[in-house]
Amino acid sequence: GQNIDQPTEMTATEGAIVQINCTYQTSGFNGLFWYQQHAGEAPTFLSYNVLDGLEEKGRFSSFLSRSKGYSYLLLKELQMKDSASYLCASMDSNYQLIWGAGTKLIIKP
Amino acid sequence: DAGITQSPRHKVTETGTPVTLRCHQTENHRYMYWYRQDPGHGLRLIHYSYGVKDTDKGEVSDGYSVSRSKTEDFLLTLESATSSQTSVYFCAISEGQGDYNEQFFGPGTRLTVL
Repeated sequence: GQNIDQPTEMTATEGAIVQINCTYQTSGFNGLFWYQQHAGEAPTFLSYNVLDGLEEKGRFSSFLSRSKGYSYLLLKELQMKDSASYLCASMDSNYQLIWGAGTKLIIKP
Repeated sequence: DAGITQSPRHKVTETGTPVTLRCHQTENHRYMYWYRQDPGHGLRLIHYSYGVKDTDKGEVSDGYSVSRSKTEDFLLTLESATSSQTSVYFCAISEGQGDYNEQFFGPGTRLTVL
């Protein structure tokens, strides 16, 4: 079956760095997406990886290892506004997104 | 921000009644999707559309139907609502599928079935 695993909740301190891991098993693979979702709001796109390696975009970076079925989202210089859920999604062979349940990130001052 | 609206934003209804949710886009994107989001679950695809009158089922399509008569509108209908369909429903759009075609989400509709 298809499965996406990510931690349910993580806590980090303002100004610090946090890494949110995601492992995936899907029928085929056409890329890995990360989205941010603040409570009560819609998900918003953060990053897309289809090749192995690290993609950096400001304070956020995303890494992919296709051979290991593994990705992570790295958030640097954490700010209070980064408190949100982070959703990992793998695109399968039919170009459908299979979503993880999300990681709730709590930032403490 | 992508121009996507959903209506209504909140709805309370009773078991057995029909309900229609509307998604409207101003981006002229080809693909439109309906998802539901429940605690402890990832977003789950209900139905999607790849063009006017072209739709297909997703992972959790039972009890739902869709229609797309215009590029900009995608309707989701619950023929006879049940309490298990209480959820937050998100519409999404994308220009294409595959490489770098991210999905943009509407604000969501919170549906409660009593």
